[in-house]
Amino acid sequence: EVQLVQSGAEVKKPGESLKISCKGSGYSFTSYWIGWVRQMPGKGLEWMGIIYPGDSDTRYSPSFQGQVTISADKSISTAYLQWSSLKASDTAMYYCVRPADLTGYYIYWGQGTLVTVSS
Amino acid sequence: DIQMTQSPSSLSASVGDRVTITCRASQGISNSLAWYQQKPGKAPKLLLYAASRLESGVPSRFSGSGSGTDYTLTISSLQPEDFATYYCQQYYSTPTFGQGTRLEIK
Repeated sequence: EVQLVQSGAEVKKPGESLKISCKGSGYSFTSYWIGWVRQMPGKGLEWMGIIYPGDSDTRYSPSFQGQVTISADKSISTAYLQWSSLKASDTAMYYCVRPADLTGYYIYWGQGTLVTVSS
Repeated sequence: DIQMTQSPSSLSASVGDRVTITCRASQGISNSLAWYQQKPGKAPKLLLYAASRLESGVPSRFSGSGSGTDYTLTISSLQPEDFATYYCQQYYSTPTFGQGTRLEIK
């Protein structure tokens, strides 16, 4: 069974750094893209970017380029989403996602990681 | 980026009703469209992909159609568990989602 298990909720202050994780299991981690989707409180879904763990090829939405870093450690089947300096506007639920194959729709979703940034 | 515009943004309906949600892309997306259902506090769930292909396990009362820039999600007979928020997503290019349609009980 394919599973994406995300790290737990975080409460941070503006300016702090953060790295959240998404561990894949039940499939070949290096053979599928993993992406990240943001959902701000009470708002819709926003695609942030995606990584292919096999070769670390990474693509970002123009809206998130330079704002976050997506990475992966294939030795532990884990993808990451990282901020160097959080802002209050980064407060959101973040989902990791995986497509069924090489297409761009997402059949598998992590349970979400709630990030709260507040002074 | 391709912009996805969903309508309506909210909808009130009753159990047994037939409802249709529309998604319009800012340019042609060649049926590279998926629909998701999200319930409060839960991750979205894939319903359809390639505009009209039903994901395994999804009830047949859900259907999708469209081409070019205009696509629709239809629920033929609303069930109590269908009241949720629905999103379209294009994957023709850098993925983008519609803003969502909240389906409420009348």
